[in-house]
Amino acid sequence: QSVLTQPPSVSAAPGQKVTISCSGSSSNIGNNYVSWYQQLPGTAPKLLIYENNKRPSGIPDRFSGSKSGTSATLGITGLQTGDEADYYCGTWDSSLSAYVVFGGGTKLTVL
Amino acid sequence: EVQLVESGGGLVKPGGSLRLSCAASGFTFSSYSMNWVRQAPGKGLEWVSSISSSSSYIYYADSVKGRFTISRDNAKNSLYLQMNSLRAEDTAVYYCAREPYSGSPPDYWGQGTLVTVSS
Repeated sequence: QSVLTQPPSVSAAPGQKVTISCSGSSSNIGNNYVSWYQQLPGTAPKLLIYENNKRPSGIPDRFSGSKSGTSATLGITGLQTGDEADYYCGTWDSSLSAYVVFGGGTKLTVL
Repeated sequence: EVQLVESGGGLVKPGGSLRLSCAASGFTFSSYSMNWVRQAPGKGLEWVSSISSSSSYIYYADSVKGRFTISRDNAKNSLYLQMNSLRAEDTAVYYCAREPYSGSPPDYWGQGTLVTVSS
């Protein structure tokens, strides 16, 4: 059971917009930056968003991130079939039981 | 270009040991904390361990504490994970991942190495 809560799956048609939520607590999301990762089938996770809403070089502006309180959201606009992947949120946790925590992952299906 | 290349995975019997390595290049390895993160088949990401740039601070997930040991050799730009008393539930792809700054989730990840614990 993951510390951060994500919906198991989301779906939308090509060209549409989708959002993926990530819920935590004051010991993690509430007081720390959130990152988002994309994991295509059979590959390693790739950083999409860091520090809540910043995109690394090379990540298109179709991907966006936001945070409010103890929740974060990843938004993807102009969906493409190549966006089909698993998406994970991650953040630092200041409790004694963990260091970095991740969400359980959300499978995005582009219909 | 940042590159992280893991090696050392394989099939091991329950109770056995394995040592994973991660070769880093394309950045000043000695300036960054590093992490091991694993992913069981069909499951999500699980943080395993973290080590600071000078090895002064080391952290472990409760699930591996007392069995796994993280270490690094800055002269060789290498990160290691010594895994002892392996269990079936340790079966996973193990990723080496760079921590951009202290207390931050990883930015760059290696391609992973598969560890299978089975009799």
